[in-house]
Amino acid sequence: AQKITQTQPGMFVQEKEAVTLDCTYDTSDPSYGLFWYKQPSSGEMIFLIYQGSYDQQNATEGRYSLNFQKARKSANLVISASQLGDSAMYFCAMREGPSQLIWGAGTKLIIKP
Amino acid sequence: KAGVTQTPRYLIKTRGQQVTLSCSPISGHRSVSWYQQTPGQGLQFLFEYFSETQRNKGNFPGRFSGRQFSNSRSEMNVSTLELGDSALYLCASSLSGATGNTIYFGEGSWLTVV
Repeated sequence: AQKITQTQPGMFVQEKEAVTLDCTYDTSDPSYGLFWYKQPSSGEMIFLIYQGSYDQQNATEGRYSLNFQKARKSANLVISASQLGDSAMYFCAMREGPSQLIWGAGTKLIIKP
Repeated sequence: KAGVTQTPRYLIKTRGQQVTLSCSPISGHRSVSWYQQTPGQGLQFLFEYFSETQRNKGNFPGRFSGRQFSNSRSEMNVSTLELGDSALYLCASSLSGATGNTIYFGEGSWLTVV
């Protein structure tokens, strides 16, 4: 069965520093997709970045990049130059079926001024 | 381009009642899925609809049901509410659900059962 593991329940980071949020996954399917979402306290789940298993290059979206290491089955999210507004829960998820995602437990990120 | 819209945002219901939540996907998106988020269980998949047909279903009791209309809007219904149904219900949409489609979420509906 597919599984997502986020080992960091919480992180404190100084403003303007770079942040790496860890995500490892387990699947026997050669075709899969990995997503990262941000969830502020309001509840909205905000899409950040997507990486397909066949993508040759690591995905990037503005300040977000995904450090995809297929052999190690890891898909870490890197946030460059963190901002106070980055404080939120961050979830790693993997597509299991059409539009069905399985989720990690999340990491609560707090940016300190 | 409007995002995924969910209504209502907040609601309080009594045990035994039923509730209907609504979701309007991004224009052009035909796949709509629903998730339940609770502190204890995290995020769990409820079901997914595509072209008015339920294509996939998670491990929830029959009290949880949904439907999709011809304009891709979707509703989910929970009957005979229990205290444990208190949760954030998130709706997501994608073009077709195919691998490679990005999945976008709405702001969620916060349900409290008292």
